[in-house]
Amino acid sequence: DSGVTQTPKHLITATGQRVTLRCSPRSGDLSVYWYQQSLDQGLQFLIQYYNGEERAKGNILERFSAQQFPDLHSELNLSSLELGDSALYFCASSVDLAGGYDEQFFGPGTRLTVL
Amino acid sequence: AQTVTQSQPEMSVQEAETVTLSCTYDTSESNYYLFWYKQPPSRQMILVIRQEAYKQQNATENRFSVNFQKAAKSFSLKISDSQLGDTAMYFCAFMKHKTRYGGSQGNLIFGKGTKLSVKP
Repeated sequence: DSGVTQTPKHLITATGQRVTLRCSPRSGDLSVYWYQQSLDQGLQFLIQYYNGEERAKGNILERFSAQQFPDLHSELNLSSLELGDSALYFCASSVDLAGGYDEQFFGPGTRLTVL
Repeated sequence: AQTVTQSQPEMSVQEAETVTLSCTYDTSESNYYLFWYKQPPSRQMILVIRQEAYKQQNATENRFSVNFQKAAKSFSLKISDSQLGDTAMYFCAFMKHKTRYGGSQGNLIFGKGTKLSVKP
């Protein structure tokens, strides 16, 4: 158990719908990262938040958005869903102290199926 | 932009034998980190081993070791005495060295993965 929690575990929805994925980082971790794992694209970075602010953006679609709240949990919002959005969505967190390296701890993922 | 390439989509090894997974990467950065992650059927991402680019010594974690060739931009993973529990997808990943201040961009860039099967 990494200490990172993600809800829900599974989500099945229809095309055109909107869903929200939730992530609670490890206690004390300031950075949250979202990754998407799909058969087509592999594992790719979507977006990073640090202490409530967006820090880095990867291959995140305009239909997707995220935020990090004052209690440091994060939500990833996916709208106008398409079949190709079906994937495993991971959240990871790290302490992200000044300089050096700190390990990213991955949550168990949310499996999204778009029908 | 950084890229990570794993040229072996699938590999298999007999239990107790040794196997090496290959990874190459491309970057213009001089300071960075390289990782191997394991993803078993449970889908959980598990860090196996980490290498700092400024360190010449290859990292080792029990049965797992790496061969880091910075000039060749190569980073292979050797698994000794393979066990059935090593059956998983293995991902090679790259991360830029973070700057002095916190909150720097520390996202991981992954290869496509190698599916390793350990056979009894």
